[in-house]
Amino acid sequence: GQQVMQIPQYQHVQEGEDFTTYCNSSTTLSNIQWYKQRPGGHPVFLIQLVKSGEVKKQKRLTFQFGEAKKNSSLHITATQTTDVGTYFCAGPSRGSTLGRLYFGRGTQLTVWP
Amino acid sequence: DGGITQSPKYLFRKEGQNVTLSCEQNLNHDAMYWYRQDPGQGLRLIYYSQIVNDFQKGDIAEGYSVSREKKESFPLTVTSAQKNPTAFYLCASSPPDRLLFFGSGTQLSVL
Repeated sequence: GQQVMQIPQYQHVQEGEDFTTYCNSSTTLSNIQWYKQRPGGHPVFLIQLVKSGEVKKQKRLTFQFGEAKKNSSLHITATQTTDVGTYFCAGPSRGSTLGRLYFGRGTQLTVWP
Repeated sequence: DGGITQSPKYLFRKEGQNVTLSCEQNLNHDAMYWYRQDPGQGLRLIYYSQIVNDFQKGDIAEGYSVSREKKESFPLTVTSAQKNPTAFYLCASSPPDRLLFFGSGTQLSVL
């Protein structure tokens, strides 16, 4: 079945260091979405990438969608303590026209002050 | 104030008991979902509904049941058949562009 794999599972960084999480799908994705879940909270939508090779930025966050539309990455430059949380990627099921998504296991980011 | 409301925030289930988790949304979204979250497991889809009076099984539907009698409401029942119910349950809804809006979740534990 369809799988979305995400690495690493955990990442501990010193404040000011960069952070990257990677997402790989076993199938081509029509789009990929990224969510952030703060400790004790619920996932919140960050961004959606649709086009092959697409790169989008949100302040210190850079999102990329691979040329083959099977992988994606989230890079945070100069992490801050407010970046703490778990970052999930998610892709829609093949042929789906609806919001049924397959989630990666997430990367839990800890930032040391 | 639009959004998704889940209740209760914490719920305890006794052996052999069925419990129902509430999910209400006032975002006028047609599609609603239930996900289960276990530590280190990501989010797994239990059930989803594309429209009122219709719903489909997700990847881990065994031991759960749902109903969708109103557009605003999508309650989840955790039945006694679900032998490992302890988890964080998240309800979500989505507009046609498919991004998900999540509720604040219900933590279910077994007594």
